[in-house]
Amino acid sequence: TQLLEQSPQFLSIQEGENLTVYCNSSSVFSSLQWYRQEPGEGPVLLVTVVTGGEVKKLKRLTFQFGDARKDSSLHITAAQPGDTGLYLCAGWYSNYKLTFGKGTLLTVNP
Amino acid sequence: DAGVTQSPTHLIKTRGQHVTLRCSPISGHKSVSWYQQVLGQGPQFIFQYYEKEERGRGNFPDRFSARQFPNYSSELNVNALLLGDSALYLCASSLGPEPQHFGDGTRLSIL
Repeated sequence: TQLLEQSPQFLSIQEGENLTVYCNSSSVFSSLQWYRQEPGEGPVLLVTVVTGGEVKKLKRLTFQFGDARKDSSLHITAAQPGDTGLYLCAGWYSNYKLTFGKGTLLTVNP
Repeated sequence: DAGVTQSPTHLIKTRGQHVTLRCSPISGHKSVSWYQQVLGQGPQFIFQYYEKEERGRGNFPDRFSARQFPNYSSELNVNALLLGDSALYLCASSLGPEPQHFGDGTRLSIL
């Protein structure tokens, strides 16, 4: 069974603070994705990382894939209330099964 | 362009009943996947269909079944509903296995 563990499970911060969310697994994934989900909506893809050690930036969000392709992190700089949501990491195991972590529920207070 | 559409948006059923959930993929997408998201958890893979054939199945009982039609739309059927089946059911479509575009889901409540 391929499991993805995310930490922290909950995070409440003030606007302007920085934060990091972690995603760890004992399995090697061919690629890993990060999604953001808002209440009443489906997950929206933020980024896909494929190569070990890869770093991708999306405005204030920085995503990193571990060298061994077993872990990943999401760093948000100067968080804003609009960043509030459930952040999910998901790894591809075979060509058809996307395995999700339990998510990190982020609240950014104005 | 229309995204992935799911119907109905909300549904209330009682234990033992049967339910059918529907999904229309993004135009041109031939792959449809179904996920169950229980409150406080991440989505859990149920099925993937490609070109009307089942390509993969998650760890769900035989009460769960699905099919894909010639127009690539899909139905998820759940028989003999249990209280634990209460969840958000998500459909995702894609050209290939990744990435995946999700619909906003069907919220199923079992009383």
